[in-house]
Amino acid sequence: ELKVEQNPLFLSMQEGKNYTIYCNYSTTSDRLYWYRQDPGKSLESLFVLLSNGAVKQEGRLMASLDTKARLSTLHITAAVHDLSATYFCAVGGNRDDKIIFGKGTRLHILP
Amino acid sequence: DTEVTQTPKHLVMGMTNKKSLKCEQHMGHRAMYWYKQKAKKPPELMFVYSYEKLSINESVPSRFSPECPNSSLLNLHLHALQPEDSALYLCASSQDRLPGSYEQYFGPGTRLTVT
Repeated sequence: ELKVEQNPLFLSMQEGKNYTIYCNYSTTSDRLYWYRQDPGKSLESLFVLLSNGAVKQEGRLMASLDTKARLSTLHITAAVHDLSATYFCAVGGNRDDKIIFGKGTRLHILP
Repeated sequence: DTEVTQTPKHLVMGMTNKKSLKCEQHMGHRAMYWYKQKAKKPPELMFVYSYEKLSINESVPSRFSPECPNSSLLNLHLHALQPEDSALYLCASSQDRLPGSYEQYFGPGTRLTVT
């Protein structure tokens, strides 16, 4: 059974600092997603990672994937207040349409 | 156009009512999804349609009935719901699971309250 663990679940950090969110999953998968969700809103797609060693960057966010370790990271560089949100990783089932979400990381960046 | 639309935005219904949620996309996507999200929780997958056929049903109670009339449209029919079914219902679509365009686009959601 596919399980996704995300940590930390809560993160309060100062502007300008760097931090990393971790996403571990339990079985082989062919795709991993990162999403952002603002309070009361829907999900915004940030990254889709498909292969071992994949790295994608958008602004202050960088995501990477290690399929052998079944681990993805979302790294935040020089955080700014606008990045405050909940970040979810989600993992696709191997060879099926299932997508399972981690519990989410509530990120609060203090100005 | 990379938009998934959902109607209505808000819905309040009694436990004896029948209502439907609607989701539409015109991106030519072949997979469409229904998720349920409770406050401060992650989205939970309910149903997946692939090429207009139901491919995944995550043991959802029969009071939720999905329908995919065509490749652009996805409905969720609701009947005899319980107050604990109150949640944000999200629709999403993606091009296909194979060969490789996996990005999933979410609609704005329908906030459902069951009284």
